[in-house]
Amino acid sequence: DTAVSQTPKYLVTQMGNDKSIKCEQNLGHDTMYWYKQDSKKFLKIMFSYNNKELIINETVPNRFSPKSPDKAHLNLHINSLELGDSAVYFCASSQDRARNTEAFFGQGTRLTVV
Amino acid sequence: DAKTTQPPSMDCAEGRAANLPCNHSTISGNEYVYWYRQIHSQGPQYIIHGLKNNETNEMASLIITEDRKSSTLILPHATLRDTAVYYCIVRKRSSNTGKLIFGQGTTLQVKP
Repeated sequence: DTAVSQTPKYLVTQMGNDKSIKCEQNLGHDTMYWYKQDSKKFLKIMFSYNNKELIINETVPNRFSPKSPDKAHLNLHINSLELGDSAVYFCASSQDRARNTEAFFGQGTRLTVV
Repeated sequence: DAKTTQPPSMDCAEGRAANLPCNHSTISGNEYVYWYRQIHSQGPQYIIHGLKNNETNEMASLIITEDRKSSTLILPHATLRDTAVYYCIVRKRSSNTGKLIFGQGTTLQVKP
């Protein structure tokens, strides 16, 4: 069983479109995250949710809207896609945000905006 | 969270120990040292973490200096599958956010 799964794995779309990436974790974790890895391989946090509540928004443009229907899911919706949004997006989860537990990452979604 | 410094790249012969250094000279008493790695085209993977004592698990050993200003991740018998980017991260014991701050990491190339 995959602990943190993301869909789709690859996404190619045109500028201006709206797209969503889905993430699910089956670990029973309370906290979920979205990270972005750009073309220079720099990995940076975007959002964090704890029990469906947003706790981090790292100055991400409001075209990006995370949604957590329950604590096992954290989806990322992106409006009006731009060329600069091309990156690999990783979903992750951890048992909770405070304790020293490791984070588990999904396999990533490679988004290409053309 | 304290900043870390790692060499950008290292090579290691297959079967030999890989020793990856990390400097974290501004680490504070309530901060842990974490190591993650990212194999090409995969998500980051947790390896090990520690506070001040040396730690060992099935993947690696973590040696933290007595002053806690630096640490070394040791892969005792590196294989080709250990080729990856290794990230050393310092994080507070009790984090309000749980976020990880990744630096540039060390690209470890294990060669046959």
